Amino acid sequence: DAGVIQSPRHEVTEMGQEVTLRCKPISGHDYLFWYRQTMMRGLELLIYFNNNVPIDDSGMPEDRFSAKMPNASFSTLKIQPSEPRDSAVYFCASTLGEKLFFGSGTQLSVL
Amino acid sequence: GQNIDQPTEMTATEGAIVQINCTYQTSGFNGLFWYQQHAGEAPTFLSYNVLDGLEEKGRFSSFLSRSKGYSYLLLKELQMKDSASYLCAGMDSNYQLIWGAGTKLIIKP
Repeated sequence: DAGVIQSPRHEVTEMGQEVTLRCKPISGHDYLFWYRQTMMRGLELLIYFNNNVPIDDSGMPEDRFSAKMPNASFSTLKIQPSEPRDSAVYFCASTLGEKLFFGSGTQLSVL
Repeated sequence: GQNIDQPTEMTATEGAIVQINCTYQTSGFNGLFWYQQHAGEAPTFLSYNVLDGLEEKGRFSSFLSRSKGYSYLLLKELQMKDSASYLCAGMDSNYQLIWGAGTKLIIKP
């Protein structure tokens, strides 16, 4: 298995632009998580899905953030409009049990 | 509230042993995890403890004391490639992970 696949690996955009991050979980995993990591705040859970259904989005910072999981093999995290304080590494992770498998992350820079 | 505490940074010498401590407070408890994260990379799973005691996996061991809300990760025969951040995470009663800020381990020759 190729593991959790995220794209793009790097994204540089200007303030106010829409950003879409993509994730393909490991086949058969029924939980998918979106995390954000910064030096100041560490690893923060944004939202997670179980069997494609959003379970807890209390970590989503604002209405500018939205996430979807239209099927078991694909999820997106969208930021619209983006702001410089959104600059961070965004990780997608999936699991079937306790162990989380992380994707390589998307390094987002909002100028 | 829920909280995970671990040292910010530690330094050790190649070939030596280092112990990274973690104390946790979670609403309920369903296990304690350790992840390794090299700079610029994703976290990778190291260990999971749900019962008290020591679990050994090669050069790495993890210990848990539920009564003390305490865990440690023990790394033996340190190698330069062990330079990384080590993240402690507790799983609460809702099976949600509460993450520590990570301990940056620096290995010197």
